[in-house]
Amino acid sequence: EPEVTQTPSHQVTQMGQEVILRCVPISNHLYFYWYRQILGQKVEFLVSFYNNEISEKSEIFDDQFSVERPDGSNFTLKIRSTKLEDSAMYFCASSDGTSMAGEKLFFGSGTQLSVL
Amino acid sequence: GESVGLHLPTLSVQEGDNSIINCAYSNSASDYFIWYKQESGKGPQFIIDIRSNMDKRQGQRVTVLLNKTVKHLSLQIAATQPGDSAVYFCAENGQNFVFGPGTRLSVLP
Repeated sequence: EPEVTQTPSHQVTQMGQEVILRCVPISNHLYFYWYRQILGQKVEFLVSFYNNEISEKSEIFDDQFSVERPDGSNFTLKIRSTKLEDSAMYFCASSDGTSMAGEKLFFGSGTQLSVL
Repeated sequence: GESVGLHLPTLSVQEGDNSIINCAYSNSASDYFIWYKQESGKGPQFIIDIRSNMDKRQGQRVTVLLNKTVKHLSLQIAATQPGDSAVYFCAENGQNFVFGPGTRLSVLP
C-alpha cells in the first residue's frame, strides 16, 4: 500500500539553527501539506502546496518557514532559525485532491523536532 | 471562525464493549468529515469518512454518525479491542482540514 514517508524520524537542533524536514508524498498525489502537533495537543495546519506553489498557510507559518518541492518526489519544510516553541511533531500529508473536494489526507509517521 | 471540538478528552472502556467518541463542529458549511486514529509515535491514520449528504456510514467494526442539525459527529467502535487504544481525532474540511483536540481511548482488560 502506498504511503507517505518522512525523514528523519527524530531531529535535535540548537535554537537558531536551520532544519530541513523531508517528505516523500504518495506518488500520484498532487496536493501536499505540513501539519504539526505539539505534545499532547491537536494537529495544526501549517501549509498546503499545489502546482509548485503555496495554496494556503496558517498564521503559524511565518517568514521562518518555507516549503519546496525540489524534484518530482520530495517535499521539504525548512525552518530557517529554529525557536524553542518550534519543538513539535511535524507531519507531512498528501492527497489526490483538495479538502473542499472531499479528498482525504494520508499522513506520514512524522518527524519529532526538538529544539534545545 | 471554524472549529472542531470533542466532548470528552478521555474514554475508558472494557474490552469487548462498544465505544462511542463524540465530536462537535461549528462550521455549518463543512461537508466532509474524517475520523483519524493516532497511535503513540505515529501519524494520524484514516479510519472512516462521511459526506454531509449522509447520516451514517459503516465500516469494519466502525460506524460514523453525522447529525447536521446539531453539528455533531460520532464514531462508534464495536467490540472494542486492545489494539483500538489510541487518540481519535475528528476533522472537518474547509479550506483545509481542521482537527479537533482528540479523545484518548483506553481499552481495559
